[in-house]
Amino acid sequence: KAGVTQTPRYLIKTRGQQVTLSCSPISGHRSVSWYQQTPGQGLQFLFEYFSETQRNKGNFPGRFSGRQFSNSRSEMNVSTLELGDSALYLCASSSGTGDGYTFGSGTRLTVV
Amino acid sequence: AQSVAQPEDQVNVAEGNPLTVKCTYSVSGNPYLFWYVQYPNRGLQFLLKYITGDNLVKGSYGFEAEFNKSQTSFHLKKPSALVSDSALYFCAVRDNTNAGKSTFGDGTTLTVKP
Repeated sequence: KAGVTQTPRYLIKTRGQQVTLSCSPISGHRSVSWYQQTPGQGLQFLFEYFSETQRNKGNFPGRFSGRQFSNSRSEMNVSTLELGDSALYLCASSSGTGDGYTFGSGTRLTVV
Repeated sequence: AQSVAQPEDQVNVAEGNPLTVKCTYSVSGNPYLFWYVQYPNRGLQFLLKYITGDNLVKGSYGFEAEFNKSQTSFHLKKPSALVSDSALYFCAVRDNTNAGKSTFGDGTTLTVKP
């Protein structure tokens, strides 16, 4: 069975630009969560979607947004990029609250 | 609010010795607890979980973890470490009333020396 697919794998953007990252969950998983991973801050929760609804949101500014489509694929968008947004963005899917996450390989975003 | 603490940034053990990676947590409701592993240049992988039932749970690659409600701990253990176990380990907690959000610890780097 196919895993969680994140595209693109790498991105280099300039400050002030915006970026859209994509995540395709494991087939049948309706929950998709997004995390930001940095060496200094560890894994920080961005948001979680379930059946196209945002159920939880982390403590990130409004520049970070996301959505989920009817086929459970999810996108996250970061507008007005800042240098501090450089990080590995991880998408994880699960089938339910008691289920562990299956993570994608991540998108490495570098803001210059 | 929910939180996780991994008190050790680094754990070093000799191959063949038992290993323990510590984790303590705080949640409002009943905890769902997880361990994940991240090998160099690879993604995070699920190792094991505690939802309910037996306090000792077994997972992938011979790892197990013990849930202790009174000490709010969920330590990861393995009876005999392998060099290939060297990786970054994350503990995570999810409140059963807060669907969809897991909070991760800062991670513990495990190094197993031959």
